[in-house]
Amino acid sequence: SAVISQKPSRDICQRGTSLTIQCQVDSQVTMMFWYRQQPGQSLTLIATANQGSEATYESGFVIDKFPISRPNLTFSTLTVSNMSPEDSSIYLCSVGDTVYEQYFGPGTRLTVT
Amino acid sequence: AQKITQTQPGMFVQEKEAVTLDCTYDTSDQSYGLFWYKQPSSGEMIFLIYQGSYDEQNATEGRYSLNFQKARKSANLVISASQLGDSAMYFCAMRLALSGGYNKLIFGAGTRLAVHP
Repeated sequence: SAVISQKPSRDICQRGTSLTIQCQVDSQVTMMFWYRQQPGQSLTLIATANQGSEATYESGFVIDKFPISRPNLTFSTLTVSNMSPEDSSIYLCSVGDTVYEQYFGPGTRLTVT
Repeated sequence: AQKITQTQPGMFVQEKEAVTLDCTYDTSDQSYGLFWYKQPSSGEMIFLIYQGSYDEQNATEGRYSLNFQKARKSANLVISASQLGDSAMYFCAMRLALSGGYNKLIFGAGTRLAVHP
């Protein structure tokens, strides 16, 4: 299984600012996924990031708010822009190049004040 | 509509007993996959078990087994010999194939399991 790390593990940010979350995988993967988990809720896919192409965003998520970079096969970043308290969530990076595997990073716990 | 339903918001079980967490799904796809994850209070998502729609046998991983009933569209997780460390949130998820070769997971609402000594 892939080993995934995320930075930062948690942060407290002021509204109106932006935070970039990093995701590093210990092996090369084609697909990387970013999920959001709002307090007390389930997980929702934000976007799928394929190396060398623009990220594909799910309905309700836009690039201006959640820009994603995927510079190589082991790394991706998600930026949460112009934050509001509603953005307080756990953000999770995930990888899964086969149909029977989908692993998650430890998550970034974001609080916006 | 493709959907995952977990009808048990909370469950409790005595230590060393078995517990079943329910999951039903709805899809018109013939090829799909079902996952179970454990989320402790730390927030990480721990992969437990996977069942493919064409797998004829129920998946097992140690103390975890998946009771897959395709006709009823259910994929219940069975945890045998519960341990205090099993106390966590449990999510059922379904893999969907998207256009362009992408896959994504959709998740149920989760079940919070409490194991009592």
